[in-house]
Amino acid sequence: AQKITQTQPGMFVQEKEAVTLDCTYDTSDPSYGLFWYKQPSSGEMIFLIYQGSYDQQNATEGRYSLNFQKARKSANLVISASQLGDSAMYFCAMRESRPLDGQNFVFGPGTRLSVLP
Amino acid sequence: EAGVAQSPRYKIIEKRQSVAFWCNPISGHATLYWYQQILGQGPKLLIQFQNNGVVDDSQLPKDRFSAERLKGVDSTLKIQPAKLEDSAVYLCASSSRGLDTEAFFGQGTRLTVV
Repeated sequence: AQKITQTQPGMFVQEKEAVTLDCTYDTSDPSYGLFWYKQPSSGEMIFLIYQGSYDQQNATEGRYSLNFQKARKSANLVISASQLGDSAMYFCAMRESRPLDGQNFVFGPGTRLSVLP
Repeated sequence: EAGVAQSPRYKIIEKRQSVAFWCNPISGHATLYWYQQILGQGPKLLIQFQNNGVVDDSQLPKDRFSAERLKGVDSTLKIQPAKLEDSAVYLCASSSRGLDTEAFFGQGTRLTVV
C-alpha cells in the first residue's frame, strides 16, 4: 500500500493566486512527521515545510502553510500569492518513528505545479 | 555549512556494465539515504543507513545493487550489471537524528544506461 498519495499529477494556477496541493498518508504510528519538498527543473530538492503529528497548530513558513487534518490523514500544502518561480514538482514525504515495513522517509509521486502569468 | 556532495553528476554506461556513485553527507549527520528517481516520478527509497549500519534495504534490488557506508561517513552505491531500466537520477540525502529533522539532498547523479 502506498504510504503517501498525491492525487493531482498536474496543477495550474494564475500568478498571485493561492493554490492547494493535496497529500494523504497512511500510517498506524502515532508519532510521525510530514514534509513538503519542491523540485524545480534544475533537479535540486528544496525543503519547504514540516508538520509533526503532535503539533496543535498548522505549520506556516512565509507563503507556505500546511492544512493538517489528522483524523483524515491529510497534509495539504497551501501556497499563497503564487509566483512564476513556484513552477516545479512538489513532493509530500513522511517519516515515522517506528515504520512497520522498515521504510522511513518515503515520498509521494508528486504534483507538477505550473504558474501562469 | 557544506551540503551533501555527490559524484559524478552524470554517467552514461552500456547495459551490463558496472557503475558506482559516491556520497559525502553533511558532517555529523547520522542518517544517510539513497533514492532512485525515475523521470516524472517521486524518489524511491533504496537504502537507509544509521551511522554505518543498514536500517532498511527492502527496496534495494540486491541481485545487482549494493551499498556501503564505511566508518559511518561517506557512502557508495554500486550497480553491477546495469540494466536499461536503471536509468534514473540517484539522490543521496542525509539528516540528523529526530523525527522533525528534514533530509538534505545532494544534486544527484543522472545515470543513463544505453
